[in-house]
Amino acid sequence: LAKTTQPISMDSYEGQEVNITCSHNNIATNDYITWYQQFPSQGPRFIIQGYKTKVTNEVASLFIPADRKSSTLSLPRVSLSDTAVYYCLVGSYNTDKLIFGTGTRLQVFP
Amino acid sequence: DAGVIQSPRHEVTEMGQEVTLRCKPISGHNSLFWYRQTMMRGLELLIYFNNNVPIDDSGMPEDRFSAKMPNASFSTLKIQPSEPRDSAVYFCASREGLIDYTFGSGTRLTVV
Repeated sequence: LAKTTQPISMDSYEGQEVNITCSHNNIATNDYITWYQQFPSQGPRFIIQGYKTKVTNEVASLFIPADRKSSTLSLPRVSLSDTAVYYCLVGSYNTDKLIFGTGTRLQVFP
Repeated sequence: DAGVIQSPRHEVTEMGQEVTLRCKPISGHNSLFWYRQTMMRGLELLIYFNNNVPIDDSGMPEDRFSAKMPNASFSTLKIQPSEPRDSAVYFCASREGLIDYTFGSGTRLTVV
């Protein structure tokens, strides 16, 4: 399983765009990149997944460069409710299990 | 769909007692995972099942921990005897063959 590295924490203010970058130098050809969000006292929640280039949904965008050794989760115009821990994971559809790293603790201030 | 359902939400028990955590996965999901989360160690995978069969229990910390999945709609994680260091939030997650997991709300276990 490819190891991921992401910042331990980030701070932002309401209304700003937040970009969280994850490094995954050993990503395999079949691996996808998936991001989860975890609020306090809740389980992690799937937010976005991608393989290459750009993916966008109603919550976030995911940017993946051509070499796929990193990815950036972009949260547009964050609000206080976006305060959470964000996990970056890589794995393929044949991956039996997800291994979570330390995640990035995002704190949004008013 | 009610999602992954875990019970109880909170459990406080005395050291040495047996603790049983329960999980009902999403109907149709063929894989079930038990995770433990602490401040010090983050989210750790304890064990997972495919089609009710335990596949990898290498994350189970000790023989005091055991997990079963008697059918596709129910799983238990048992700790016997419990110790204060077992205090954590235990999450159950299920998956339907793809990479996106659905987690339950967790059981907060406190062993005093």
